[in-house]
Amino acid sequence: KQEVTQIPAALSVPEGENLVLNCSFTDSAIYNLQWFRQDPGKGLTSLLLIQSSQREQTSGRLNASLDKSSGRSTLYIAASQPGDSATYLCAVRPDAGGTSYGKLTFGQGTILTVHP
Amino acid sequence: GAGVSQSPSNKVTEKGKDVELRCDPISGHTALYWYRQRLGQGLEFLIYFQGNSAPDKSGLPSDRFSAERTGESVSTLTIQRTQQEDSAVYLCASSPRRGLAEAFFGQGTRLTVV
Repeated sequence: KQEVTQIPAALSVPEGENLVLNCSFTDSAIYNLQWFRQDPGKGLTSLLLIQSSQREQTSGRLNASLDKSSGRSTLYIAASQPGDSATYLCAVRPDAGGTSYGKLTFGQGTILTVHP
Repeated sequence: GAGVSQSPSNKVTEKGKDVELRCDPISGHTALYWYRQRLGQGLEFLIYFQGNSAPDKSGLPSDRFSAERTGESVSTLTIQRTQQEDSAVYLCASSPRRGLAEAFFGQGTRLTVV
């Protein structure tokens, strides 16, 4: 059974800091890994998706890396801003014989607060 | 539509009543997922559809919960004889079968059982 763990559970930083959120998973047979953001009372917004064959993806100030063999991913946020305050979730999709079938397994999330 | 659409956005119901929650996935997305999120908690998997078949129903918490999907389009999640512990936000997501298989979520239905 796939288990996904996110560390830390909560993080509070001053504006402008660079920060790293961690995600680990127990079964390395994944199709892809996806990072989401969730604002209070809202749905999930997809931030970055990394295929199992990729090592990293970048979008603006966000960079996500994947080390599939060790079951780890990190989300790096550069020059954090108060608007980055949200819950960040990672999710993995299993590799079902090379297809994208299968449910997403989520971590519990990291609650990020960036204060001015 | 452009994104995953869920309705209603909010639902208040009396304990013991049945409710239906609707999800319209992104056009062409084969996979559809239902998750539940209780206040202050993580996402809890309920059921997953590939087309109109449900290979994984393992997350449905009891036989009061059921879900259907018509072809590769709309899905409904039905909760019978609602209980207070069913109060949560119910989230739906869809993804394509091939390629990146990126999942996109709707805004959720907030269900309150009083």
